[in-house]
Amino acid sequence: ETGVTQTPRHLVMGMTNKKSLKCEQHLGHNAMYWYKQSAKKPLELMFVYSLEERVENNSVPSRFSPECPNSSHLFLHLHTLQPEDSALYLCASSQDRAYGYTFGSGTRLTVV
Amino acid sequence: GQQLNQSPQSMFIQEGEDVSMNCTSSSIFNTWLWYKQDPGEGPVLLIALYKAGELTSNGRLTAQFGTTRKDSFLNISASIPSDVGIYFCAGLTTSGTYKYIFGTGTRLKVLA
Repeated sequence: ETGVTQTPRHLVMGMTNKKSLKCEQHLGHNAMYWYKQSAKKPLELMFVYSLEERVENNSVPSRFSPECPNSSHLFLHLHTLQPEDSALYLCASSQDRAYGYTFGSGTRLTVV
Repeated sequence: GQQLNQSPQSMFIQEGEDVSMNCTSSSIFNTWLWYKQDPGEGPVLLIALYKAGELTSNGRLTAQFGTTRKDSFLNISASIPSDVGIYFCAGLTTSGTYKYIFGTGTRLKVLA
């Protein structure tokens, strides 16, 4: 595996479900990110982890809960989501926060 | 907050034509990145610019870091059908914590 891998690629969940998105980077980077991409809106930064510590949380509702157990893995735990949370969720990594990000292919989430 | 305005929002061009798009802001940025996103995939980094006035090429793509540090430009020469996709600019903020702000994207469609 190379680059940034996200699973699952597609997820449909009910509003009362609990699910998790997984991201793994094979690049030796020390920073990881979660972005939300909705139609016709700019990429929205959700969370930033640097050296496994959360350094930014952009006013994201508590129904989204990130976890970074080590520098290669990042999770986004989902609980009681709303239909407006349906979007493409992108994970990215970088070597230091000032350098360009490498994105995964994303998880297309649909909340029904 | 800081915003990036990309134009045009979308464009149809004939194969073989050159394409120009830009990204502007009222804020100053330290680094500019250009990404391309294919349907169902995450953005892929095309070009990174680190200094005002810098001009960098990647094959048929050329990007420039504006001298005011408030804008950047991307040109694609002799477009081909596989250039279809959404092109995003991203600027590294100069205030507060390091993070990239993304533009809303330029959707490119190439007519064979």
